[in-house]
Amino acid sequence: DVKVTQSSRYLVKRTGEKVFLECVQDMDHENMFWYRQDPGLGLRLIYFSYDVKMKEKGDIPEGYSVSREKKERFSLILESASTNQTSMYLCASTPTANYGYTFGSGTRLTVV
Amino acid sequence: DQQVKQNSPSLSVQEGRISILNCDYTNSMFDYFLWYKKYPAEGPTFLISISSIKDKNEDGRFTVFLNKSAKHLSLHIVPSQPGDSAVYFCAAPKRLTGNQFYFGTGTSLTVIP
Repeated sequence: DVKVTQSSRYLVKRTGEKVFLECVQDMDHENMFWYRQDPGLGLRLIYFSYDVKMKEKGDIPEGYSVSREKKERFSLILESASTNQTSMYLCASTPTANYGYTFGSGTRLTVV
Repeated sequence: DQQVKQNSPSLSVQEGRISILNCDYTNSMFDYFLWYKKYPAEGPTFLISISSIKDKNEDGRFTVFLNKSAKHLSLHIVPSQPGDSAVYFCAAPKRLTGNQFYFGTGTSLTVIP
């Protein structure tokens, strides 16, 4: 079974802090994604990566950056956390040409 | 640009009855669709998919129906169980974008014992 692991289930950070969300997958998938889920808005794509050191903006990249130094790890960075970034963050991965994603368990981030 | 829409944010059903979750889409070029199920504080898990060349796909208690002329798909759960209480997302692939998907906004299903 493919496993996508997000390092934290719950995080509470202060406004202005730099926040790192880590995601690791163990199945050598090329593609990795960061989404956020908010009530009434569904899943919105923040950034994705289709290879090491490659990254592409999704639909809502503002306020975020990413890093993919190794194939198995995809990090989401909030440079200066704001309260409107309080959300559930979901990491996903998939091999090239697959039927769908495997998601991690999510990180519930609260910015106070 | 909401290309996949779930117009019912919530649904309540009695245990043992049928749950019907609906999804509409705008792009007739979508060639497959997926349903994901999400419990609180967990990531979504893949539930069932359907190719656009089919009009029905069944997996145990879950059946997805596709009506291409109406650009509509539905997920039927029969019989519904309390453990089915979750948020359900439908999704369709963005073409030529390397495995990205359009997701609906989700329908929260509550199955009442």
